[in-house]
Amino acid sequence: SQKIEQNSEALNIQEGKTATLTCNYTNYSPAYLQWYRQDPGRGPVFLLLIRENEKEKRKERLKVTFDTTLKQSLFHITASQPADSATYLCALDNNAGNMLTFGGGTRLMVKP
Amino acid sequence: DTAVSQTPKYLVTQMGNDKSIKCEQNLGHDTMYWYKQDSKKFLKIMFSYNNKELIINETVPNRFSPKSPDKAHLNLHINSLELGDSAVYFCASSQAFSDVSGNTIYFGEGSWLTVV
Repeated sequence: SQKIEQNSEALNIQEGKTATLTCNYTNYSPAYLQWYRQDPGRGPVFLLLIRENEKEKRKERLKVTFDTTLKQSLFHITASQPADSATYLCALDNNAGNMLTFGGGTRLMVKP
Repeated sequence: DTAVSQTPKYLVTQMGNDKSIKCEQNLGHDTMYWYKQDSKKFLKIMFSYNNKELIINETVPNRFSPKSPDKAHLNLHINSLELGDSAVYFCASSQAFSDVSGNTIYFGEGSWLTVV
């Protein structure tokens, strides 16, 4: 069966450190992988998209890697700040249009 | 300006009632969605409409009926509400799928439905 797995346990890190979140998937062949941020009581907000033929994508303090052999994406936040505390969701796009499937999200807590 | 807006934000109702959640997007997108997020935070697609036409209808009880009067609006009507319908319902929209943007989705703020 198809699965998208993110660590359901919260990740607690100290301010200034690099946070690394993992997204693993099985029985998918995504053309794209996306990362979203969700704050409590709010809707998810798009952060980054990476294509299957890209190994890495960066945006300011964010970096995403995509390994289609390992079927895994890593999401890094460097120089983390308390304001980065949120739930981060990965989502797979199967290139069929109109169909984005989300993982369960990982909650990140950055402590000052 | 709010890109995707949905109302009401909070809704508490009794079992057996019928309720609607309204959604509007001002992004000019062709595709709109309803997602459900349960207590475990899993976000699951319920429906997708493209230019007022139903594209995706995941395994959802037929008590849930989406209605799209035009491509900027997608409302969700729920009949005979059950306790298990309690969740957060997100409306969302996206541009047509492209090689550049993939299928980036813009979400509303959510509607918290509690059935008692």
